[in-house]
Amino acid sequence: AQSVTQLGSHVSVSEGALVLLRCNYSSSVPPYLFWYVQYPNQGLQLLLKYTSAATLVKGINGFEAEFKKSETSFHLTKPSAHMSDAAEYFCAVSDWPYNQGGKLIFGQGTELSVKP
Amino acid sequence: EPEVTQTPSHQVTQMGQEVILRCVPISNHLYFYWYRQILGQKVEFLVSFYNNEISEKSEIFDDQFSVERPDGSNFTLKIRSTKLEDSAMYFCASRKQGVNTEAFFGQGTRLTVV
Repeated sequence: AQSVTQLGSHVSVSEGALVLLRCNYSSSVPPYLFWYVQYPNQGLQLLLKYTSAATLVKGINGFEAEFKKSETSFHLTKPSAHMSDAAEYFCAVSDWPYNQGGKLIFGQGTELSVKP
Repeated sequence: EPEVTQTPSHQVTQMGQEVILRCVPISNHLYFYWYRQILGQKVEFLVSFYNNEISEKSEIFDDQFSVERPDGSNFTLKIRSTKLEDSAMYFCASRKQGVNTEAFFGQGTRLTVV
């Protein structure tokens, strides 16, 4: 069965600093991986997805993630944090092909704080 | 841009009452889901629905829960005899056909059982 683990439940960076949010996955088949962001009192918004087309995936708001099979990782990065990036970030893996429904299995989430 | 809409945004109910959470998925999507997020915890899968039937359900989704797509546009989650521990944010999501398509989530319904 697939799973994801997010290292660090809370990450704090200064405005303008590099953002690095860690996600490791477990899957016996090539995974479909996603990063979602949840702003306070809002739903989940897709940041980016990995679907095996390219290992470096660019998403919205300047975020990108690199798929590294050897490290079973899909870490999320942004070169320069902005105050508006403060939110909770979730890494998720689709459970396809184990289930045709393709539900998402989420990590625990990482809360990103950005200090002025 | 099409979006998943959920109503109500906040529902307060007394323990033991039944609630219905409503969702309108994106119109050309074929897979529908309910997830929940208990405060401070991760997002958990409840149920997936495809071709007018449940395709998968989690251990959480017991006889207390049911889903329905009554009219081809709405997708509802019914929780019977609510318990305090059902208090959570409930998210509806939908997805197009295709293995690499992403799920679009609604804004959620915050259910508070008192």
